Amino acid sequence: DQQVKQNSPSLSVQEGRISILNCDYTNSMFDYFLWYKKYPAEGPTFLISISSIKDKNEDGRFTVFLNKSAKHLSLHIVPSQPGDSAVYFCAARSYSGAGSYQLTFGKGTKLSVIP
Amino acid sequence: DGGITQSPKYLFRKEGQNVTLSCEQNLNHDAMYWYRQDPGQGLRLIYYSQIVNDFQKGDIAEGYSVSREKKESFPLTVTSAQKNPTAFYLCASISLGEGRGNTIYFGEGSWLTVV
Repeated sequence: DQQVKQNSPSLSVQEGRISILNCDYTNSMFDYFLWYKKYPAEGPTFLISISSIKDKNEDGRFTVFLNKSAKHLSLHIVPSQPGDSAVYFCAARSYSGAGSYQLTFGKGTKLSVIP
Repeated sequence: DGGITQSPKYLFRKEGQNVTLSCEQNLNHDAMYWYRQDPGQGLRLIYYSQIVNDFQKGDIAEGYSVSREKKESFPLTVTSAQKNPTAFYLCASISLGEGRGNTIYFGEGSWLTVV
């Protein structure tokens, strides 16, 4: 049972336009959400995060929106650049007891920004 | 510079052999994790460790073993019992209590191929 779902395996966007990557989750106990970017054969790198008590967090060209009632979050990249072409993973944090946390990842969305 | 180092980056294994992937971090992080990524799949948790000399099974621990004798090191052994070991393996660490929501840091990954 997938608790974090990224329903679009791929997305193509023209350079300069907005990229919107979506993520849905089912576990209401998730308290923090993160987005990671991954290039082929490299480890993921942290992009941006949002606490469950907020609905928006912005960092430069990247903005994450959280809709708790819909259990949905989205990552907006504006303007999109060719270097943004990568796989983007949505992750959600849950507390697993005794001071420990787990991250649950979605399957990823491959973003291609076309020059 | 602080970071996570995985080695080797590429490894070939014959069927029936055990292999060990190394993961070292100098970030003074308490928790370390091993994930596996297969094509078209998200990151799946193999094992994690919150403190030295203690570790917990993740979602797909069968056929793997770990140890945590030092805070800095969390090696993963892929045993001959792992039926489908060819994959990209990622090591990660996290420091609880950081302001960025316990951001997880990843190594660059290790490609394991069974021949």
